[in-house]
Amino acid sequence: AQKVTQAQTEISVVEKEDVTLDCVYETRDTTYYLFWYKQPPSGELVFLIRRNSFDEQNEISGRYSWNFQKSTSSFNFTITASQVVDSAVYFCALREGSGYSTLTFGKGTMLLVSP
Amino acid sequence: ETGVTQSPTHLIKTRGQQVTLRCSSQSGHNTVSWYQQALGQGPQFIFQYYREEENGRGNFPPRFSGLQFPNYSSELNVNALELDDSALYLCASSLSGTSGTGELFFGEGSRLTVL
Repeated sequence: AQKVTQAQTEISVVEKEDVTLDCVYETRDTTYYLFWYKQPPSGELVFLIRRNSFDEQNEISGRYSWNFQKSTSSFNFTITASQVVDSAVYFCALREGSGYSTLTFGKGTMLLVSP
Repeated sequence: ETGVTQSPTHLIKTRGQQVTLRCSSQSGHNTVSWYQQALGQGPQFIFQYYREEENGRGNFPPRFSGLQFPNYSSELNVNALELDDSALYLCASSLSGTSGTGELFFGEGSRLTVL
């Protein structure tokens, strides 16, 4: 069965600091997809990124970057020069390639960025 | 905004009552999934509907049921409410089939409190 672990429950940083959110996953499928979502207080899950299991290239999008390493089953997310607006709960999620398009989520990491 | 709308946004019920939550999917999407998110936890998959039929279910009892209508909107019904049913209920729509990537787009959720 698939599983996603986000060991950090809460992280507090000061604005402009860099912060990395960790995600470790378990799956028996060889084809799978990994996601990061952001959940602001409004509750809506905002999609940030999707990676498939065959693409281990790291990705950078503005202040966001992702480090996918199959050897350690990790998909970590880094925010560079954090801002107060980055304060939210961040979820890592896994979807296996077989079956329907459901997601298995980690428990989330609450990021608090103070001015 | 994802185009997925849910109603009501907040509601309070008492134990033993029944509740119906509604979701309008994003235009063009044919699949709806429901997730339950307890406080401090990641969302958990309840079930998924495709072409008006349930085609996947998580570890939830039969008192959690649903419907999908011809316009792809959906309802989640919970009977005999228990205190532990208090949670944010998230609806997600997606486009299944070879023409879609299966990406999930979430609404802002319905926050249910059971007293």
